[in-house]
Amino acid sequence: NAGVTQTPKFQVLKTGQSMTLQCAQDMNHEYMSWYRQDPGMGLRLIHYSVGAGITDQGEVPNGYNVSRSTTEDFPLRLLSAAPSQTSVYFCASSLFRRQGVGGYTFGSGTRLTVV
Amino acid sequence: QKEVEQDPGPLSVPEGAIVSLNCTYSNSAFQYFMWYRQYSRKGPELLMYTYSSGNKEDGRFTAQVDKSSKYISLFIRDSQPSDSATYLCAMNIDTGNQFYFGTGTSLTVIP
Repeated sequence: NAGVTQTPKFQVLKTGQSMTLQCAQDMNHEYMSWYRQDPGMGLRLIHYSVGAGITDQGEVPNGYNVSRSTTEDFPLRLLSAAPSQTSVYFCASSLFRRQGVGGYTFGSGTRLTVV
Repeated sequence: QKEVEQDPGPLSVPEGAIVSLNCTYSNSAFQYFMWYRQYSRKGPELLMYTYSSGNKEDGRFTAQVDKSSKYISLFIRDSQPSDSATYLCAMNIDTGNQFYFGTGTSLTVIP
């Protein structure tokens, strides 16, 4: 049982490049989300999904796209990387659609640097 | 004003001490309260989970919620060096789709 798996663990991008951060979970969780973690800012929600085919924006969605074609996978796409997107990105999942219940299982993170 | 405020520390205590970590919040609709532990360069892991007011105990850890004061606490008894980590509080309303996180408190337990 792997839990939440994120790839890659580290990435350096040049300004303007695009890339996809991968997230997969094997717990049959309905809810999946992407957060970014920056010093002094805490964890901020980028996008989330309450099930396959359903996505919505969080607090800081600009510059990012998501899709949810399967229950297991929830990739995050950076369209045109900017230095302000340098951060640590976490994927998190939860068993229940209603987010108040059960808490998150987090992946180990992707450290992204945009130069 | 942020939804959730948390003193970033750092907090340094000797082994065996009782540690108190706290968060305050502004939204009176928050009903679910959690504490996560995050080791360096790792993802957060769920430590404690409480609903509404009251206390919850799990081993050396006790979570308290005081909704009248909009204040939550995590107590760690007999602290160990392995407790050295950043502790994040998080909370949500009953029908919300996201958790609101504090910025985390960095704790070091000195042997």
